[in-house]
Amino acid sequence: DGGITQSPKYLFRKEGQNVTLSCEQNLNHDAMYWYRQDPGQGLRLIYYSQIVNDFQKGDIAEGYSVSREKKESFPLTVTSAQKNPTAFYLCASSLQGWDSGELFFGEGSRLTVL
Amino acid sequence: RKEVEQDPGPFNVPEGATVAFNCTYSNSASQSFFWYRQDCRKEPKLLMSVYSSGNEDGRFTAQLNRASQYISLLIRDSKLSDSATYLCVVNRLGGANNLFFGTGTRLTVIP
Repeated sequence: DGGITQSPKYLFRKEGQNVTLSCEQNLNHDAMYWYRQDPGQGLRLIYYSQIVNDFQKGDIAEGYSVSREKKESFPLTVTSAQKNPTAFYLCASSLQGWDSGELFFGEGSRLTVL
Repeated sequence: RKEVEQDPGPFNVPEGATVAFNCTYSNSASQSFFWYRQDCRKEPKLLMSVYSSGNEDGRFTAQLNRASQYISLLIRDSKLSDSATYLCVVNRLGGANNLFFGTGTRLTVIP
């Protein structure tokens, strides 16, 4: 079955550590996205990528980094520079490109900083 | 002012009831609109797009009012399985930075 796979589902990190969240899709979508969801807030865009080897910052990119070396993969690194990293992270992709509102989401990765 | 505003609820309704949610958006340049459903601690899933003429999918009806800048979602004959948070999404086009998610309206359908 086609879909988006995120791993790990749950992750605990000590302050000062970097952590990388994996996102893989086999939907053959060009556009991929990373969002963060916090209680009482709408999803906020961290980074997005329309094609391989290209990505743009979203609204809250500070303290995060991404790469897009393969069409299927869009990993997110949460660095120690991110001041409040505890959140639910959602990876998404879209068939119709970066202007589409029709997104397919992975199951999410819940990061807790201890 | 937020781009997208929703009543967070919760809306607690009995099985079989009809329930409606509204979502207002602030920018008249918004071009496309969507409702997503998100179950507790799960990912959002697209429920339906909202077309200018309104659209229906089974028990769900979505409508757009451009003049008053809101979209609505009507659920008829509520089922227990409809219990979820419903997210309103507004697209101003011009890139992923122009896609805005509401905070969601929580619905609980009671037996």
